[in-house]
Amino acid sequence: TQLLEQSPQFLSIQEGENLTVYCNSSSVFSSLQWYRQEPGEGPVLLVTVVTGGEVKKLKRLTFQFGDARKDSSLHITAAQPGDTGLYLCAGNRDNYGQNFVFGPGTRLSVLP
Amino acid sequence: GAGVSQTPSNKVTEKGKYVELRCDPISGHTALYWYRQSLGQGPEFLIYFQGTGAADDSGLPNDRFFAVRPEGSVSTLKIQRTERGDSAVYLCASSRGNANTGELFFGEGSRLTVL
Repeated sequence: TQLLEQSPQFLSIQEGENLTVYCNSSSVFSSLQWYRQEPGEGPVLLVTVVTGGEVKKLKRLTFQFGDARKDSSLHITAAQPGDTGLYLCAGNRDNYGQNFVFGPGTRLSVLP
Repeated sequence: GAGVSQTPSNKVTEKGKYVELRCDPISGHTALYWYRQSLGQGPEFLIYFQGTGAADDSGLPNDRFFAVRPEGSVSTLKIQRTERGDSAVYLCASSRGNANTGELFFGEGSRLTVL
């Protein structure tokens, strides 16, 4: 049973397009992180969100944490081929420590 | 190096054999994690250490899997009587472990293939 679901599973778009990917759960998390993973490497942290309703921006990437801290979205503006990769959300089940479970990921391909 | 180091990077073994995978975390990181990732999937949680003790081992699939971290630094994931379904990339990560917002730093993984 997946604690976290991500959609879409696959996304292929042209350079310059905008996109949004989603991370959903029935569980409440104390914090939620987004990671990007490239082939043959481990995931690398993009952002951590903690407060319900929080919005964070990282250049062309905008992250939002749902009001109830059960879901999150990642929006990319003007996607570039360098954005290609596996986008993973990870929810923290621990209020005081770091016990993260990952979603299955969204595989993004940005074509030049 | 300053990052998380995992050895071996690749391991091919036969069904029924015993395998050990090693993780060297970032110095000073108290939390250490093992995940398993199959092709095209997200990392699947196996076990999480805080110091020397396993804070959560609920992800270990069965009693063939065991992990230790005797001195609170290096960890070893041990798999007995390997099965073909154990084939995956085993990822290790470490973090400072002192806040619920800390970053997990991952190694490049150990790719296990069971023939």
